[in-house]
Amino acid sequence: GAVVSQHPSWVICKSGTSVKIECRSLDFQATTMFWYRQFPKQSLMLMATSNEGSKATYEQGVEKDKFLINHASLTLSTLTVTSAHPEDSSFYICSARAPGTHRNEQFFGPGTRLTVL
Amino acid sequence: AQSVAQPEDQVNVAEGNPLTVKCTYSVSGNPYLFWYVQYPNRGLQFLLKYITGDNLVKGSYGFEAEFNKSQTSFHLKKPSALVSDSALYFCAVRDYNFNKFYFGSGTKLNVKP
Repeated sequence: GAVVSQHPSWVICKSGTSVKIECRSLDFQATTMFWYRQFPKQSLMLMATSNEGSKATYEQGVEKDKFLINHASLTLSTLTVTSAHPEDSSFYICSARAPGTHRNEQFFGPGTRLTVL
Repeated sequence: AQSVAQPEDQVNVAEGNPLTVKCTYSVSGNPYLFWYVQYPNRGLQFLLKYITGDNLVKGSYGFEAEFNKSQTSFHLKKPSALVSDSALYFCAVRDYNFNKFYFGSGTKLNVKP
């Protein structure tokens, strides 16, 4: 149980285009999901907290107009990188807070590698 | 503010030898501590957690971690390392109030045959 998927697993796009990344909780409902960014050989940086049915909460320094987050249902959150630039190239990882006995944990998706040309 | 520190960028150990990956934490309130492993181009896999109870926590793949309140440490250990344990290991602390995770900088574990 508590499986989180991400789609796509990798994407290459041209500079100036927008890219949408999906994060799904497959076997549980997640009222809260998180989006992280990871640069090569570095740690995960929390970008934002996504709450179902309400606006996302962004961490300091993260542009909310650049990284649009939508948590439209209890099993799906999306991250859209708008007008992508090469410096947006990174590994994006989502996680979901599980309910019940695992409510103190977060379960992570496999990540999405974005390359902006 | 919550934070964790992993003082070693890399740990090298021979297969069959015990391994330790270090983590120290700074939290306000009771610490919720976690260890995750990441293989190349993959997400994070949960290894173990400390919420309360016994200071020695046993987790997946033979790993364990010892919570030491006086030293504010939560070191990851394994009695006998495998080559397949080679990966990137992250220590994390959960902010109780906001349910955010704060990750350490990661430690690359290299297990040589």
